[in-house]
Amino acid sequence: DIVMTQSPEYLAVSLGERAAINCKSSQSVLYSSNNENYLAWYQQKPGQSPKLLIYWASTRESGVPDRFSGSGSGTDFTLTISSLQAEDVAVYYCQQYYTVPLTFGGGTKVEIK
Amino acid sequence: EVQLVESGGDLVQPGGSLRLSCAASGFTFDDYAMHWVRQIPGKGLEWVSGVSWNGGTVDYADSVKGRFTISRDNAKNSLYLQMNSLRTEDMALYYCAKSTRGVIDGYFDFWGQGYLVSVS
Repeated sequence: DIVMTQSPEYLAVSLGERAAINCKSSQSVLYSSNNENYLAWYQQKPGQSPKLLIYWASTRESGVPDRFSGSGSGTDFTLTISSLQAEDVAVYYCQQYYTVPLTFGGGTKVEIK
Repeated sequence: EVQLVESGGDLVQPGGSLRLSCAASGFTFDDYAMHWVRQIPGKGLEWVSGVSWNGGTVDYADSVKGRFTISRDNAKNSLYLQMNSLRTEDMALYYCAKSTRGVIDGYFDFWGQGYLVSVS
């Protein structure tokens, strides 16, 4: 199984400042045949279901604000919130879909400092 | 508008059985794989099981293999999870999730509101 490890577990950032969440996979999720990274990011606000933010490691889902961006390749990935807003308080998860079993990172809780 | 609505039974004892259902609408159900993902309140997400667009391919997390069975009825736009030999560690919020592909290995663009399974 591919193990997804997120860091940090908890992140407190001032409004308007940058937040960066890391996700590391135990093996590469880059498919050589299409040069795509099989990595998605989700946001889960308190009391809500997860919401898709990013797929193919860096493609923003329709309707997601452009302050959210994804980067990385192979085994190391980052979700960046360029200017944290109050409504971004949530837990963020990465997920690999390179192979089953599909696996998630443990989550990163983002709060306002 | 895509909607996924989970439903199921009441509190079940350890060793008991429960069947979850997910009613889907707002998209062409038989074009996409469907999944169950669970979350212990306050904890992270765990993929449980997935089924391909036509039901021909299914897979399970090791933690539920041999006890849970996923199925779908494309005529009824419905997804199911038969849960047998339930354990207290199966107690969680179970989400129905839509894949973006017909095959199992995909990401999830829509999630239901979740159904709380209680085992006690």
